[in-house]
Amino acid sequence: EAQVTQNPRYLITVTGKKLTVTCSQNMNHEYMSWYRQDPGLGLRQIYYSMNVEVTDKGDVPEGYKVSRKEKRNFPLILESPSPNQTSLYFCASRMRTDNYGYTFGSGTRLTVV
Amino acid sequence: TQLLEQSPQFLSIQEGENLTVYCNSSSVFSSLQWYRQEPGEGPVLLVTVVTGGEVKKLKRLTFQFGDARKDSSLHITAAQPGDTGLYLCAGQAAGNKLTFGGGTRVLVKP
Repeated sequence: EAQVTQNPRYLITVTGKKLTVTCSQNMNHEYMSWYRQDPGLGLRQIYYSMNVEVTDKGDVPEGYKVSRKEKRNFPLILESPSPNQTSLYFCASRMRTDNYGYTFGSGTRLTVV
Repeated sequence: TQLLEQSPQFLSIQEGENLTVYCNSSSVFSSLQWYRQEPGEGPVLLVTVVTGGEVKKLKRLTFQFGDARKDSSLHITAAQPGDTGLYLCAGQAAGNKLTFGGGTRVLVKP
């Protein structure tokens, strides 16, 4: 089944403890992206990647890192999480050609205390 | 920054009624996508409209892209409880940038 898989689905952590949210897709998509979704603010792009070793900042990149060493994987790293990073995170992928929609993962609900 | 405004923010209707959701911007997009999101899940793509004035139908859902490619609408005919969810529009600019609207929460009561 074609899908984007995120792990974990739920995570509660403490301020300052480094964490990684993994994302993997099995559709051979070139483009991958991370979004966060917050009440009243909608979906905002954190980082995106157009292909292996090519990443760029989205609208809200502060406090996050990403890497794209392989085409299928696009992990999101929080080096020193803070409470304002408590949010619902989505990984998404799509084909390189413009106008194709994204396939989203099921989300990771992160709480930083 | 390109902004997409959706209206209304919330819509509650009875089963069998029709509804329309609007998505407006002052910017031109190369395409516009509509997604539906259910609680606890990621958004799921419903349709992509590309050409100004384009109309696409997906069963009881009708999507329209404005002539100037700045706005779009989603019309649901004879809504059913299964149509309940958060509807999101997203505008694709040249390149990778995809901007999401704030969403319209639709509740269809049986």
